[in-house]
Amino acid sequence: GQSLEQPSEVTAVEGAIVQINCTYQTSGFYGLSWYQQHDGGAPTFLSYNALDGLEETGRFSSFLSRSDSYGYLLLQELQMKDSASYFCAVRDNSNYQLIWGAGTKLIIKP
Amino acid sequence: SAVISQKPSRDICQRGTSLTIQCQVDSQVTMMFWYRQQPGQSLTLIATANQGSEATYESGFVIDKFPISRPNLTFSTLTVSNMSPEDSSIYLCSAVQGMNTEAFFGQGTRLTVV
Repeated sequence: GQSLEQPSEVTAVEGAIVQINCTYQTSGFYGLSWYQQHDGGAPTFLSYNALDGLEETGRFSSFLSRSDSYGYLLLQELQMKDSASYFCAVRDNSNYQLIWGAGTKLIIKP
Repeated sequence: SAVISQKPSRDICQRGTSLTIQCQVDSQVTMMFWYRQQPGQSLTLIATANQGSEATYESGFVIDKFPISRPNLTFSTLTVSNMSPEDSSIYLCSAVQGMNTEAFFGQGTRLTVV
């Protein structure tokens, strides 16, 4: 079957750095995306990796290793507003459909 | 980018009735999708809304229960038919624009069936 695994919950301190890992097993691979979702809100796009390596966007970075079927989202200089759920998602075909991980709830303590 | 207006934002419905959820995108998009999400859980794809033709449903979802329309490139509706309390959930529409890799989402419809 097709699956994505990520930790259910991560706790970190304000100002710190946190890494959320995602491993995937899919029939095809067109890229790994990360989305943020605050309670009561809609998912919003954070980043996308189609090739191996690190993509940086401000405080957020995302990494992909296709040979390991693994990626991570790195959040630096954590702020209280970063408290949310983070989902990894894989495009496994050319139809733009996404396969979603279960989500990681990020709890930030002052 | 694309902005999706989804309505209603929430509703409380009697069992046995139907609710139609609408999504309007402010620009033409290539693909539109409908998801269901239980609070605290992941997104489950219901179907892909195909412009001018029947939607493509995922396993476990059928057209009689979740009829979908997409008459043009910017609008789609999802109907939840003959509702039961098990249909209580958040329903989200999503769109992808051209070759853009980013998926945009409506704000969701929180449905409670009593």
